[in-house]
This record gives sequence, structure tokens and C-alpha cells, in this order.
Amino acid sequence: KNQVEQSPQSLIILEGKNCTLQCNYTVSPFSNLRWYKQDTGRGPVSLTIMTFSENTKSNGRYTATLDADTKQSSLHITASQLSDSASYICVVSPGAGGSYIPTFGRGTSLIVHP
Amino acid sequence: GAVVSQHPSRVICKSGTSVKIECRSLDFQATTMFWYRQFPKQSLMLMATSNEGSKATYEQGVEKDKFLINHASLTLSTLTVTSAHPEDSSFYICSAETPPEAFFGQGTRLTVV
Repeated sequence: KNQVEQSPQSLIILEGKNCTLQCNYTVSPFSNLRWYKQDTGRGPVSLTIMTFSENTKSNGRYTATLDADTKQSSLHITASQLSDSASYICVVSPGAGGSYIPTFGRGTSLIVHP
Repeated sequence: GAVVSQHPSRVICKSGTSVKIECRSLDFQATTMFWYRQFPKQSLMLMATSNEGSKATYEQGVEKDKFLINHASLTLSTLTVTSAHPEDSSFYICSAETPPEAFFGQGTRLTVV
């Protein structure tokens, strides 16, 4: 069964600090892994997308890593801001031969305090 | 970047009435759109896959006669919640894919009173 596990479930940090969110998956075959930011009451917004051959991808203060061998990904947020408070969702899409439906993680709720 | 527009963002309706939610891809064509439901502090739950020009594919446990999906064009999918009940109150989100990316609508907060 395809699964995406995210940790921690929730995280509280002080403004200006860095943090790292984890995503482990069992989706196979693998096509791509995406990180989304979802503000309360809004739709998810794409942060990064990585395919099998990509190890690192950055989008401003967000840097995602992917280890396709261990099926792990991380999202690192640098110099956090109050506006980073949101839910961060890891989504893994299967490749050819698998279901075309993406599998969602339950998300990590990040709270940034001043 | 690609944009998916979802309308309305909020709707309050009476029990027994029907509500239609629209999902549009504004600058790309999407043969496939997805409809999700999200409860507070939980992840998105896939309800159905909307295919342009054919019947939608519903996930197990989702009533197709209650949640009517129409994907009449390559840029528009609609979800109609029929005979709404208070337990249908939730946050509904659509997404459209232009591989390898998927873009989400802003979501619709449905409250049935």
C-alpha cells in the first residue's frame, strides 16, 4: 500500500530559526515528490517538485532534498518568518505502472512565534 | 505560473438544497482534475477523479449520486453536493494537473445549516 509519513506532526519555532521537516514514503513506482504549503482555509501552494534524479531543489528560503534510495525527503526552512506558519504537505506521485493518483502525507503543522 | 480558480470560496446553504462548486484551470488545459475534502487539521482526502468527456471515478465510500461531478470542458470541472446535510459541511478543494505539477484551487468552505 502506498503511504507517505511526515514528521513531526507539529512544530513550534522562534522567528529567525531554521527547521527541517521529514517525509518518508513507500510509493512505488515513483514519479515525483512535491512539497506544498497550506495556509489555514486556503488551498495548497506548490513549493518544490522533485523527480527521481534530483537530490536538492531550492525555492527561496525553502530547500527540499530527496533520497530515492531510502525513499526519504526533507524540507528545510531557513530564517523562518511569521508568515511561514502553515501546514506543510508532502505528496508523492506514482510512476508508470502504478496508480496515477498521488498519495498525500498528513502534513506538518508549523507555528513560528515572534 | 499555472492557476486554478475555485468558486465560491465560501457558501452557506440550508439542509436539503444543492450546492455547485466550480473549478477552472485558467491558463492550461486539464484532462484530469481531482476533488478533495479536508476536515480540520487533517490531510486532503481524495473524493473523485474528474475526467474530461467521461464519467468521474469515485473513491470508495464516496456516494456518486450525492457528489455529482461534471467535467464538460478541458478547463472546467464542477462538483455538486446534492441534498446537502450538516455532515457535508467541510472544506472542498480541487486540483488540476499539468505534469509533473499539480495546482490547487483556493478551496470552498461549505457550511450546511
